[in-house]
Amino acid sequence: AQSVSQHNHHVILSEAASLELGCNYSYGGTVNLFWYVQYPGQHLQLLLKYFSGDPLVKGIKGFEAEFIKSKFSFNLRKPSVQWSDTAEYFCAVTPRAAGNKLTFGGGTRVLVKP
Amino acid sequence: GAVVSQHPSRVICKSGTSVKIECRSLDFQATTMFWYRQFPKKSLMLMATSNEGSKATYEQGVEKDKFLINHASLTLSTLTVTSAHPEDSSFYICSARWGLVAYNEQFFGPGTRLTVL
Repeated sequence: AQSVSQHNHHVILSEAASLELGCNYSYGGTVNLFWYVQYPGQHLQLLLKYFSGDPLVKGIKGFEAEFIKSKFSFNLRKPSVQWSDTAEYFCAVTPRAAGNKLTFGGGTRVLVKP
Repeated sequence: GAVVSQHPSRVICKSGTSVKIECRSLDFQATTMFWYRQFPKKSLMLMATSNEGSKATYEQGVEKDKFLINHASLTLSTLTVTSAHPEDSSFYICSARWGLVAYNEQFFGPGTRLTVL
């Protein structure tokens, strides 16, 4: 079975700082990759996804993620964060063969100080 | 984006009673709905997948007789926690997707917090 690990449980940074959240997965086959965000008191929303093609994926709100197949990684980045980026971020994977099942990482709580 | 609602948002019940949680896709037809459970400070764990008109497919370790899932229409799925016990207390989240292909985005509901006394 696949698994997803997110290296940082909590990240605290100041506005305008750059953000990078690590995500590694374990699965031998082809996967689809996702990053979701959960703002305080709100439901999960899709930030971006990778299925195929350019491994550098751009999402909403200035986020991007890079798929590095050799490292089984899909790290999320944002060059300059804002206070409104305070949220919990989840990486998720689904084997392309399985289709349906999202396996989530443990999540990273990001606090952006104004 | 598409909207998925859940009702109730919070429920407190006594041990031994059953609780029903509704998940509705408000502006699209959800061919597939998913039910997740989220423990405090932990990630979402997929409990089951249901396609409209079919029996739900449960993940390993999830008791199908305890967590009854019904997906009778393209806009409604229900999760019934039968004979609830304190260890069933958790945050339950549903998601809905149009179509059967993984490329279609899952839209998540706001979650239901269940507390069993």
